[in-house]
Order: sequence, then structure tokens, then C-alpha cells
Amino acid sequence: DVKVTQSSRYLVKRTGEKVFLECVQDMDHENMFWYRQDPGLGLRLIYFSYDVKMKEKGDIPEGYSVSREKKERFSLILESASTNQTSMYLCASSLDRFYTFGSGTRLTVV
Amino acid sequence: RKEVEQDPGPFNVPEGATVAFNCTYSNSASQSFFWYRQDCRKEPKLLMSVYSSGNEDGRFTAQLNRASQYISLLIRDSKLSDSATYLCVGVNYGGSQGNLIFGKGTKLSVKP
Repeated sequence: DVKVTQSSRYLVKRTGEKVFLECVQDMDHENMFWYRQDPGLGLRLIYFSYDVKMKEKGDIPEGYSVSREKKERFSLILESASTNQTSMYLCASSLDRFYTFGSGTRLTVV
Repeated sequence: RKEVEQDPGPFNVPEGATVAFNCTYSNSASQSFFWYRQDCRKEPKLLMSVYSSGNEDGRFTAQLNRASQYISLLIRDSKLSDSATYLCVGVNYGGSQGNLIFGKGTKLSVKP
């Protein structure tokens, strides 16, 4: 089974902090994605990557950046956390169109 | 941009009932569709792919109607364990490769 591991299940950070969310997959997938999920808004794509050192903006990239230095790891960075970035963050990797998600990181910014 | 739309529900049904969800999509270029299931406080998991010819997996049947641009999911003989949110998903080929576009989900609650 593909495993996608997110480093933290729950995270509380202060406004203005730089926050790193880590995601690792173990199936050599080229494609990796970061989504956030909010009530009433569903899953929204933040950034995605189809190869090492490659990144593309999704629908809501503002306030975020990403890093893909190694194939198995895709990091989401909140440069200066704000309260409106309180959300559930989901990482996914895919082979073709079949996605596997990590279990999510629930981030609260206070 | 609302590319995939679905009724948020909730659908409250008794055990054993048959329940159907519909979803509409606006991007006629979308080639592939899926249903994902998401349990409370868990990540989405692929339930099944959707084909024009229909796709049946046990009690679950998914159908794609390209002419009307809607996707359906039928659950027969519903079980308590079917309670979850069902996400309708299309593939957006706007970038170099496709990425998934998720509907907001339809919540199903199966009661004893």
C-alpha cells in the first residue's frame, strides 16, 4: 500500500510564525499535492509538484510556498502564519490519476 | 470557478435504503471522474472510478452521463458503515498534467 505520511496530526502556531508542514511518500510517485480543507469550501489545491525541484501554483497559493528537494518529500511552508490559515491540510501523492492522501494536519493559528 | 457541484446534504436514510447522489461538472473537457469517501476527521479515500458505461462494485454503482454532464453514485442496501461524506471528483487538464478538482461533498448518515 502507498503510504503518505504527514509529520504532525495537530499543530498550534502563533500569528507571524514560519510554519513547515512535511509530507513523505514511500512509493516513488512523481506527483505530489497540498490541499487545504475547510467546512463549506471543500478541498482546495494550494500547490502541486510533478517532479523534484518543480512546483506549480494551485487555486489558492497566496501566503504559501513549497519545497520539493527530494522525490519522496513535499513541504508546505507558511511564510508568516495568519489566523485565516487555520485549516486542515492534506498532502497527497499520485500515480496517474489515482491519489493517496495523508491523514492530514490540523493547523490552528492563534 | 465551480467546476464540480454536488448537494451537500445531509442525506439521512434508514439502514437498507437505496440512496443516490448526483454531481454536475462544468468543464466539458474533463475526461475522468471519481467518487471518494471521507470519514469524519479522516482523509479522503478513493471509492471508485466513474465510466460512461457504468461501474459497479458490490452495492455501489457509479455512472457518468457526458451529454448532461453529471455523475451519479447509487448505494443499495445501505449500511451504518456507509455513513460518510462522498466527494465527487473530476480531473482538470489545465496544467501540464491533470490534477483533481473536488466537489464539496455530500454527507450521508445511515440510521438504524
